[in-house]
Amino acid sequence: DTEVTQTPKHLVMGMTNKKSLKCEQHMGHRAMYWYKQKAKKPPELMFVYSYEKLSINESVPSRFSPECPNSSLLNLHLHALQPEDSALYLCASSQDGGYPNEKLFFGSGTQLSVL
Amino acid sequence: AQKITQTQPGMFVQEKEAVTLDCTYDTSDPSYGLFWYKQPSSGEMIFLIYQGSYDQQNATEGRYSLNFQKARKSANLVISASQLGDSAMYFCAMREDSQGGKLIFGQGTELSVKP
Repeated sequence: DTEVTQTPKHLVMGMTNKKSLKCEQHMGHRAMYWYKQKAKKPPELMFVYSYEKLSINESVPSRFSPECPNSSLLNLHLHALQPEDSALYLCASSQDGGYPNEKLFFGSGTQLSVL
Repeated sequence: AQKITQTQPGMFVQEKEAVTLDCTYDTSDPSYGLFWYKQPSSGEMIFLIYQGSYDQQNATEGRYSLNFQKARKSANLVISASQLGDSAMYFCAMREDSQGGKLIFGQGTELSVKP
């Protein structure tokens, strides 16, 4: 199983809503990532978890709150988002998180629209 | 400063012909990895090929090969015998040993394969 599964595939939310994005992998990877991608732009790193601990936070606003309950699962909790937060949110995983030769396996993303 | 530069926003290639997508990078870290990913309109990021900074030979994976010129800091992707299904966005990306888990992407090249 070389899949990273993201749910939901599409999400529409109002600025006062609270919602969560979910990501799951069963490859035994110990590093998981959240990326944000606007249309026609490259993915931008948001967070990295390594061995269930947050290792990188790219100065992401606090309205985005990541959570890694175990090494297979990664959540992104959303609260009081702005319309400019509308984007494709990609989850990825890799073996360990610390080596330059690790390739990332990506999910197919959640397309988020904030109204 | 841009760490990864892809100078071709869009490219066209005739089916069955070869095409080269350009990528230059900037790092002072002696240990780094270079990656190419393909992103079809469905959104998923698909790993294509990897080149390590210490690798002596250019990487190849099926129809994909990487023209690695370390002194020039370039890592161009060559796709041989283009197929209609190759139409997609292509991203060059880099991980530096000193930067832990960060995989950073270039701006991407949109490739269109003509029948």
